[in-house]
Amino acid sequence: LAKTTQPISMDSYEGQEVNITCSHNNIATNDYITWYQQFPSQGPRFIIQGYKTKVTNEVASLFIPADRKSSTLSLPRVSLSDTAVYYCLVGDDDYKLSFGAGTTVTVRA
Amino acid sequence: EAGVTQFPSHSVIEKGQTVTLRCDPISGHDNLYWYRRVMGKEIKFLLHFVKESKQDESGMPNNRFLAERTGGTYSTLKVQPAELEDSGVYFCASSQEPWTSGKRNYEQYFGPGTRLTVT
Repeated sequence: LAKTTQPISMDSYEGQEVNITCSHNNIATNDYITWYQQFPSQGPRFIIQGYKTKVTNEVASLFIPADRKSSTLSLPRVSLSDTAVYYCLVGDDDYKLSFGAGTTVTVRA
Repeated sequence: EAGVTQFPSHSVIEKGQTVTLRCDPISGHDNLYWYRRVMGKEIKFLLHFVKESKQDESGMPNNRFLAERTGGTYSTLKVQPAELEDSGVYFCASSQEPWTSGKRNYEQYFGPGTRLTVT
């Protein structure tokens, strides 16, 4: 499994855009990039997945450069309820998710 | 549509006792997974069922843990006898087939978890 590195924590304010970058230098050809979100006392929740270029859904955007050695999760106009831990996962095994330490995003009023 | 449910939400037992955790996946999801987070560590995969069959139990820590999924619906995870290091949060997740309309699908739906405390 490709090792991922992401910031331990990030602070933001309501209404701002939050960008979390994940490094995965050893990503393999068949690996996908997936992001999950976890609120306190809840299980992780799928946000978005991608293989290359840009993917957008109703929650976030995922930017993946051509070399795929990193990816950036973009959360537009965050609110207090976006305070959570965000996990970047890389792999081709959709049956066995491998979570790292994640990035704790704190949104302040 | 109901999500993944887990019971109990919290369990406190003494070392040496037995505890059984239950998971009800989303209806129609053949794939069911167990994960856990022990104190201060990351969420780790335990095992994966496809219907009633164990596909991958490489993450099970030892033979004190037994998972079952009779009938391919709900699943139980039994810890017997429980040890102090088993304390943590046990998550269950379920998913549809990994290929949907020709596209890979990495979305797993997680339950709220069961917090197990062994004293």
